[in-house]
Amino acid sequence: GDSVTQMEGPVTLSEEAFLTINCTYTATGYPSLFWYVQYPGEGLQLLLKATKADDKGSNKGFEATYRKETTSFHLEKGSVQVSDSAVYFCALTPNRDDKIIFGKGTRLHILP
Amino acid sequence: GAVVSQHPSWVICKSGTSVKIECRSLDFQATTMFWYRQFPKQSLMLMATSNEGSKATYEQGVEKDKFLINHASLTLSTLTVTSAHPEDSSFYICSAVWDRTFEQFFGPGTRLTVL
Repeated sequence: GDSVTQMEGPVTLSEEAFLTINCTYTATGYPSLFWYVQYPGEGLQLLLKATKADDKGSNKGFEATYRKETTSFHLEKGSVQVSDSAVYFCALTPNRDDKIIFGKGTRLHILP
Repeated sequence: GAVVSQHPSWVICKSGTSVKIECRSLDFQATTMFWYRQFPKQSLMLMATSNEGSKATYEQGVEKDKFLINHASLTLSTLTVTSAHPEDSSFYICSAVWDRTFEQFFGPGTRLTVL
């Protein structure tokens, strides 16, 4: 079945460091890909998405490119802030109104 | 923007009692809603798909008689945990699919603690 694999955390970085969180997926067809973020004590928020190959999703300085050839959707940010500390989930949906399949999440700690 | 609410945000109950959790799409219609469960420091696991006017579809391993889902209107789905036990303690999150755009929006979650 469809699945998402993302790097295990926790990831600890200093402020202004470069961030990469790896995500790969397995799916039949052409899924839509997402990154969700969950801040401490809060619900899930959509961070960015891409719906077809080579699309780049971006938001709040974060970027991820839908790479069909490598079945990847790595999350990057050039300069992280303390406020970026959260849990990040890579996810996919096989069809646009279908259930979302989540990766296990990566906890990110940013040190001042 | 599209908002999904959940009520209550947290609940503590005694073992053996039933608890109802509501999921509402506040400003859009959602024929389809999903219920997820999240254990501490773990990912979200899909429990069931809720479709307005029809029976919910449960994922493998989820007891449908224990987790009753009712999607009575285009803006409301409810999850009832029947005869709750401590192992049912968890964070329950719903999402709603906007009928017009097929975007999926998540509720803030409900933390259930069963004593």
